[in-house]
Amino acid sequence: GNSVTQMEGPVTLSEEAFLTINCTYTATGYPSLFWYVQYPGEGLQLLLKATKADDKGSNKGFEATYRKETTSFHLEKGSVQVSDSAVYFCALSGRSGNTGKLIFGQGTTLQVKP
Amino acid sequence: DADVTQTPRNRITKTGKRIMLECSQTKGHDRMYWYRQDPGLGLRLIYYSFDVKDINKGEISDGYSVSRQAQAKFSLSLESAIPNQTALYFCATSDSRTGDTEAFFGQGTRLTVV
Repeated sequence: GNSVTQMEGPVTLSEEAFLTINCTYTATGYPSLFWYVQYPGEGLQLLLKATKADDKGSNKGFEATYRKETTSFHLEKGSVQVSDSAVYFCALSGRSGNTGKLIFGQGTTLQVKP
Repeated sequence: DADVTQTPRNRITKTGKRIMLECSQTKGHDRMYWYRQDPGLGLRLIYYSFDVKDINKGEISDGYSVSRQAQAKFSLSLESAIPNQTALYFCATSDSRTGDTEAFFGQGTRLTVV
């Protein structure tokens, strides 16, 4: 079945450091891929998405490229801020039946220190 | 006001008690979902509904039931709560008409079963 694997956290960085959070997936067909962010005490918010191979999703300085050859969707940001501290979830939605059901990775906690 | 509202935000209940978590949305979406978040496991799908008369089990439906009272309301019940149902519960919505699988989440209900 479909699955998502994220790098384990927590990840601790200093402000202005470069961020990479790895995400790989297993899926049949051509899923849509997402990164969601959960700030403390809040629900999940969509950060970015990509719906086909080689698409690059971007938002708030974060980027991720849909790599079908490596089944990956790694999240990157060139210079993190304290306000980026949150839990990040990689997720996929299978195209079959277009159900909108999401399969999530385990989440990666990012802590950015001043 | 939040587009997806969950009540209560926090709840402590005793083993064996029946409890209902409620979700309402003002987004006009047809699809609604209940997820459960556990540390290190990400979010897992409990139940989902495509409209008032279409309700489906997710990957971890045992011990739970749902009711879609109206397009805007989707409640989750634990018939006889047990301690391993202690978790953070999220309701989400999506719109099948857009062909986009983006989901919108509520702020979550933290449930503790003692």
